Amino acid sequence: GEDVEQSLFLSVREGDSSVINCTYTDSSSTYLYWYKQEPGAGLQLLTYIFSNMDMKQDQRLTVLLNKKDKHLSLRIADTQTGDSAIYFCVETGDFGNEKLTFGTGTRLTIIP
Amino acid sequence: DAGVIQSPRHEVTEMGQEVTLRCKPISGHNSLFWYRQTMMRGLELLIYFNNNVPIDDSGMPEDRFSAKMPNASFSTLKIQPSEPRDSAVYFCASSLLGGDLGYTFGSGTRLTVV
Repeated sequence: GEDVEQSLFLSVREGDSSVINCTYTDSSSTYLYWYKQEPGAGLQLLTYIFSNMDMKQDQRLTVLLNKKDKHLSLRIADTQTGDSAIYFCVETGDFGNEKLTFGTGTRLTIIP
Repeated sequence: DAGVIQSPRHEVTEMGQEVTLRCKPISGHNSLFWYRQTMMRGLELLIYFNNNVPIDDSGMPEDRFSAKMPNASFSTLKIQPSEPRDSAVYFCASSLLGGDLGYTFGSGTRLTVV
């Protein structure tokens, strides 16, 4: 069955880098996403990586994909208080937007 | 576009009462999803529609839950009768199959059943 696993909590000092890890099971995933949920809000698509890529960089965000190990990570450089949120790792099937499978979410806490 | 619109934002009801949650997807999107989020179980897919037709309702907890999508611009999730364990945040999301990546989520309805 499909299962996406993440650590539940991560605490990082302001200004340091945050690294959130994820393992997934569906090798047919065309895309892998990271969603962000701020307190009291819905989920927003933060970034994504296509399955034939190893790395994607977008400003302070770096996504690394190890397809062999089915491992995905999200690195946030120079973590700020506004980065406090829950981050969800998401796998897809053959399409990029049909029946996504969400991980448990990692709650990122920033230490001043 | 105003995004996915859910109402109400908050609902407090007594056990046994009927609760109806509403969702207006983004215009032009052809898929709609209902999720439930709790601390214990995380984010759970309840049901999803494609072109107004229910495709997968295997996540609906029990017969007390029902969902409809009478047209492309409106969906409801109904709980009758409600129970305290139904307390959660319910999210609606929509997408265009083959279009932009991922889903667009609404802001959610926080349901409290006392």
